[in-house]
Amino acid sequence: GAVVSQHPSRVICKSGTSVKIECRSLDFQATTMFWYRQFPKQSLMLMATSNEGSKATYEQGVEKDKFLINHASLTLSTLTVTSAHPEDSSFYICSARRSAGWDNEQFFGPGTRLTVL
Amino acid sequence: AQKVTQAQTEISVVEKEDVTLDCVYETRDTTYYLFWYKQPPSGELVFLIRRNSFDEQNEISGRYSWNFQKSTSSFNFTITASQVVDSAVYFCALSEVYGDMRFGAGTRLTVKP
Repeated sequence: GAVVSQHPSRVICKSGTSVKIECRSLDFQATTMFWYRQFPKQSLMLMATSNEGSKATYEQGVEKDKFLINHASLTLSTLTVTSAHPEDSSFYICSARRSAGWDNEQFFGPGTRLTVL
Repeated sequence: AQKVTQAQTEISVVEKEDVTLDCVYETRDTTYYLFWYKQPPSGELVFLIRRNSFDEQNEISGRYSWNFQKSTSSFNFTITASQVVDSAVYFCALSEVYGDMRFGAGTRLTVKP
């Protein structure tokens, strides 16, 4: 099956610093990648959709200047949380879609747990 | 816009009991996909099933079974003879063609020995 990795799996940082999270599709090319955020005991909420080579589309209420997304290649997307604050502490999960066609199959990464002190 | 409702926030059963997790969805599209995922305490999502809107056949996989009814916009999930290892949060999700995936609120299942 298709594998998606995320790095790091866990990160602790001080308030005001920036954190970068990588999402890689290991054995397939992903034209589209998605970033989700999950607060404790809540569901996954879509933050943004990124297509390779173009700007990400952010969901309403998600600050694009705070959550920078780069999808520079067909196998890598990065999410940078800029000037992180304690309220940004969450579980961040990416997914990659193998094809834009009928298949529409998405594969999820294992997630990154961010703690901002 | 698509919407997924999982009305059951938490369910607790005793081992070997059968349990059904409900999922009701809304979409304007005639072509879409429905999913169930399991999320254990580690957080990593475990894919359970994907069903497209043209396939209403029920599916059984071991102790797991799924009942898809377009007439009631429901895609329910049943675990037969539950086990402690089934304890997790279960999410139902909907994806329209070329669209993103939207998740329900999740149902936390606790199976007690």
